[in-house]
Amino acid sequence: SYVLTQPPSVSVAPGKTARIPCGGDNLGSKSVHWYQQKPGQAPVVVMYYDSDRPSGVPERVSGSNSGNTATLIISRVEAGDEADYYCQVWDSNNDVNWVFGGGTRLTVL
Amino acid sequence: QEQLVESGGGVVQPGRSLRLSCAASGFPFSDYAMHWVRQAPGKGLEWVAVIAYDGSSKHYADSMKGRFTISRDNSKNTLYVQLNNLRAEDTAVYFCARAKSRLAEADIYFDFWGQGALVTVSS
Repeated sequence: SYVLTQPPSVSVAPGKTARIPCGGDNLGSKSVHWYQQKPGQAPVVVMYYDSDRPSGVPERVSGSNSGNTATLIISRVEAGDEADYYCQVWDSNNDVNWVFGGGTRLTVL
Repeated sequence: QEQLVESGGGVVQPGRSLRLSCAASGFPFSDYAMHWVRQAPGKGLEWVAVIAYDGSSKHYADSMKGRFTISRDNSKNTLYVQLNNLRAEDTAVYFCARAKSRLAEADIYFDFWGQGALVTVSS
């Protein structure tokens, strides 16, 4: 089955740019979606179809996907961005399956 | 206001069964495929199952095939998952999530989630 790989943690100082990578075989050929999850809360989509931003998500959050890596980019990081972030794709090679990465904890220093 | 509210969680012994419900309100439930996604304590998200808007198509994660059954009652705006032969490794928060599609087989994202129901499998 398809595997998405994320680093367990990313740390960034306030006001700087955080880049959260998500790796997978030929990932650029798939649509990648990103979710933010804060402790004790349900996940919330923050980016879909690689680089589309839901209403309510600030413009400083963006996404890219090419080759074997998708990246969620958060500019001008704020304390409120501290959370777990998960990438997700749809895999239909053998049977339909929705695959999540292992998640990345974003820590704002 | 859109809402998804899970219920039915609790502590259950290994080998026993449990049925979770997800009550939807504030949107046309019968227009959407629906999913269950789980999260073990301190772990990441794991997709469980999907059902099409009309119940005509269902799919399951490999590790749950044959033990879990997803269903829905559109007249009650409610999604269900029957969890049978539960194991310790099934301990998790189970979220229901709405898909941006009517179809079960679609390259979609989960645009709305419930708050989850905790299932603890322990003797």
